[in-house]
Amino acid sequence: SQTIHQWPATLVQPVGSPLSLECTVEGTSNPNLYWYRQAAGRGLQLLFYSVGIGQISSEVPQNLSASRPQDRQFILSSKKLLLSDSGFYLCAWRGARAFSEQYFGPGTRLTVT
Amino acid sequence: KQEVTQIPAALSVPEGENLVLNCSFTDSAIYNLQWFRQDPGKGLTSLLLIQSSQREQTSGRLNASLDKSSGRSTLYIAASQPGDSATYLCAVSSSGGYQKVTFGIGTKLQVIP
Repeated sequence: SQTIHQWPATLVQPVGSPLSLECTVEGTSNPNLYWYRQAAGRGLQLLFYSVGIGQISSEVPQNLSASRPQDRQFILSSKKLLLSDSGFYLCAWRGARAFSEQYFGPGTRLTVT
Repeated sequence: KQEVTQIPAALSVPEGENLVLNCSFTDSAIYNLQWFRQDPGKGLTSLLLIQSSQREQTSGRLNASLDKSSGRSTLYIAASQPGDSATYLCAVSSSGGYQKVTFGIGTKLQVIP
């Protein structure tokens, strides 16, 4: 069966510090990968998605970036965090076919102080 | 641009009651619609996936229907239990860009013992 991992589970970082969140998927190949952010009281905001290694599409201009160095690894980064980057970050995957179901990881709670 | 609306935003019901959660979307050209459950501080758990060619899907006490022409879906929960308390989100995969999934803000359900 497929499994999706995210780490760390919780992170507290000062403003201006760098960020690296990692997501890995097991049990499938060539998945579409996604990073979402969920702010308190708001819906899921799609940040990035990737249809293959090195292929990243950005939905929202910001100080975040994403990379996909391996087929089942997706990394969210920032060089300098802002207070507004605080939120709950969720990684998700779905199959490459248009009719595929989407699955989510457990999430990372980021607090920027 | 696809927009997804969920009504009501919050719902409180006594245990044992049957209930309906509503989801509407603006662009009927979809591949599928997915219902998720999210517990506080957790990732999203997939409940039901309805393909655009289907009218409904059932899993245990849950039944989801889809009326693509009117842009609506409902999630029916039978004989609600306190363990059903969570936020329920619907998401649509649109044919205009199937890699992207658009989410509603969710309905927060509380089932009172």
